[in-house]
Amino acid sequence: EAQVTQNPRYLITVTGKKLTVTCSQNMNHEYMSWYRQDPGLGLRQIYYSMNVEVTDKGDVPEGYKVSRKEKRNFPLILESPSPNQTSLYFCASSLSGHQRGYTFGSGTRLTVV
Amino acid sequence: DQQVKQNSPSLSVQEGRISILNCDYTNSMFDYFLWYKKYPAEGPTFLISISSIKDKNEDGRFTVFLNKSAKHLSLHIVPSQPGDSAVYFCAATSSGYSTLTFGKGTMLLVSP
Repeated sequence: EAQVTQNPRYLITVTGKKLTVTCSQNMNHEYMSWYRQDPGLGLRQIYYSMNVEVTDKGDVPEGYKVSRKEKRNFPLILESPSPNQTSLYFCASSLSGHQRGYTFGSGTRLTVV
Repeated sequence: DQQVKQNSPSLSVQEGRISILNCDYTNSMFDYFLWYKKYPAEGPTFLISISSIKDKNEDGRFTVFLNKSAKHLSLHIVPSQPGDSAVYFCAATSSGYSTLTFGKGTMLLVSP
């Protein structure tokens, strides 16, 4: 089944403890992206990648890192999480950018205390 | 400054009637627009899109209309079904860019 898989689905962590949210797609998509969803703010892009080793900042990149060493994986790294990064995170991938729409994962609900 | 606006947080419609979801944008560089549907505990799913060279795109029960001069687009669902109850996000982008700018979403409730 073609899909974007995120792990974990739920995570509670403490301020300052480094964490990684993994994202993997099995559709051989070139484009991958991370979004966060917050009440009243909709979906905001954190980082995106157009291909292996090519990444760029989205609208809200502060406090996050990404890497794209392989085409299928696009992990999101929080080096020192803070409570304002408590959010619902979505990874997405696309064959050719926006024009064919992005396929989203099921989401990771992160709580930083 | 919000570049994509969905001014109605929610909309209630009866089954079988038309649902009209609206979206306004401010960035003149946007030339491609998409609608996504999101159920609770799931990621958004792509629904329909439209390029700025068109003013209408249809896919089954879903039609998107684009009015470039007014910087306005709308999604029509006819006939509405209870399974259409979800949050609908409008998104926009520019050619050559991979970033999508989303609106805040409109929650549609279709009652039997």
